[in-house]
Amino acid sequence: QVQLVESGGGLVKPGGSLRLSCAASGFTFSDYYMSWIRQAPGKGLEWVSYISSSGSTIYYADSVKGRFTISRDNAKNSLYLQMNSLRAEDTAVYYCARAPPPMDVWGQGTTVTVSS
Amino acid sequence: EIVMTQSPATLSVSPGERATLSCRASQSVSSNLAWYQQKPGQAPRLLIFGASTRATGIPARFSGSGSGTEFTLTISSLQSEDFAVYFCQQYNNWLPWTFGQGTKVEIK
Repeated sequence: QVQLVESGGGLVKPGGSLRLSCAASGFTFSDYYMSWIRQAPGKGLEWVSYISSSGSTIYYADSVKGRFTISRDNAKNSLYLQMNSLRAEDTAVYYCARAPPPMDVWGQGTTVTVSS
Repeated sequence: EIVMTQSPATLSVSPGERATLSCRASQSVSSNLAWYQQKPGQAPRLLIFGASTRATGIPARFSGSGSGTEFTLTISSLQSEDFAVYFCQQYNNWLPWTFGQGTKVEIK
């Protein structure tokens, strides 16, 4: 069935880095734009980044611009989010989702905690 | 950036009753609005898109209405599995796509 599975979350110190991955299955990954969305503890949803099907078009929320890099490998059916210079306010569950909206398929999320 | 405001923050409803959730946009989003349901520890699930079209597999008790800046999600007869948090999202304006802060539907 159609599925997205995130991985790579964990505990990292402020200023550190993490790379999140999202493995897609059950659909033709290379046909779809993809997004990362995050949810801070007890908070709402925040769109983080978007990448076109070929990877040629990329956008970021202002809150992560210059620190996060989205990428994809269509041969591996995988989406990535490289997160550098992490801050406490980046603590959240990170979801990958098919985009553009409406986001009809979401992964289960991976938790990123930025703390010293 | 378009700001989405949901009300109320919490809605207490008895099983079998109707629930009406509101979402307001700071500027017109036409009908480019989606509703999502999220249960604790789970990812959001798409319920409604295009303001009023149910997503695949969504029961008919869920309905959406509105256009422009005012939108409503109605759950006609609440079932136990419907107690959750509901988010609206606009996708009319180009990025950023923005979400409301959510309405929690709890058991009365």
